[in-house]
Amino acid sequence: KQEVTQIPAALSVPEGENLVLNCSFTDSAIYNLQWFRQDPGKGLTSLLLIQSSQREQTSGRLNASLDKSSGRSTLYIAASQPGDSATYLCAATLTGANSKLTFGKGITLSVRP
Amino acid sequence: GAVVSQHPSRVICKSGTSVKIECRSLDFQATTMFWYRQFPKQSLMLMATSNEGSKATYEQGVEKDKFLINHASLTLSTLTVTSAHPEDSSFYICSARDLWRIQETQYFGPGTRLLVL
Repeated sequence: KQEVTQIPAALSVPEGENLVLNCSFTDSAIYNLQWFRQDPGKGLTSLLLIQSSQREQTSGRLNASLDKSSGRSTLYIAASQPGDSATYLCAATLTGANSKLTFGKGITLSVRP
Repeated sequence: GAVVSQHPSRVICKSGTSVKIECRSLDFQATTMFWYRQFPKQSLMLMATSNEGSKATYEQGVEKDKFLINHASLTLSTLTVTSAHPEDSSFYICSARDLWRIQETQYFGPGTRLLVL
């Protein structure tokens, strides 16, 4: 059974800092891995999706990497802003799992002005 | 594109009543929709996979007679919480997979906050 872990549960940084959010998964037979953003009381916004054959994906100030062999993914946020404050969740799709996503508990990020 | 809506966004009901939540894909067709539940400070847990025109597939531990799912068209799935109790209070989120996209991307709705008194 796939398990996805995100540590720490919460993170507070000053504005402008570059930061890395970590995600680990137990089963390396993943089809893809996704990073989502969730604002309080809201649904999920997809940030980046990395296919199993890819090593990283970039979108603006965000960069996500994937290392299947070590069961890790990282989300790098450059020059953080107060508007980046939210909960960031990673989710893995197992190969042959018919698109079922296994989510981590998320990391709640607070960027202080 | 790829917008998923949910209705209602928030509902408060008395214990013992039934509540229906709708999930719609607004600008694409979805043969598959997923229903998740999220408790405070917890991860999203998949409850069931809804397939258009067939019975839903429920995850282990989810009572199919309590959480009724209907996926009658390519753009609409409904989740009915029957005889709701306070422990059913949670944030329910649906997602939909685009029929025509090769990439395995799910698009998520904004969620429905259910409070059972």
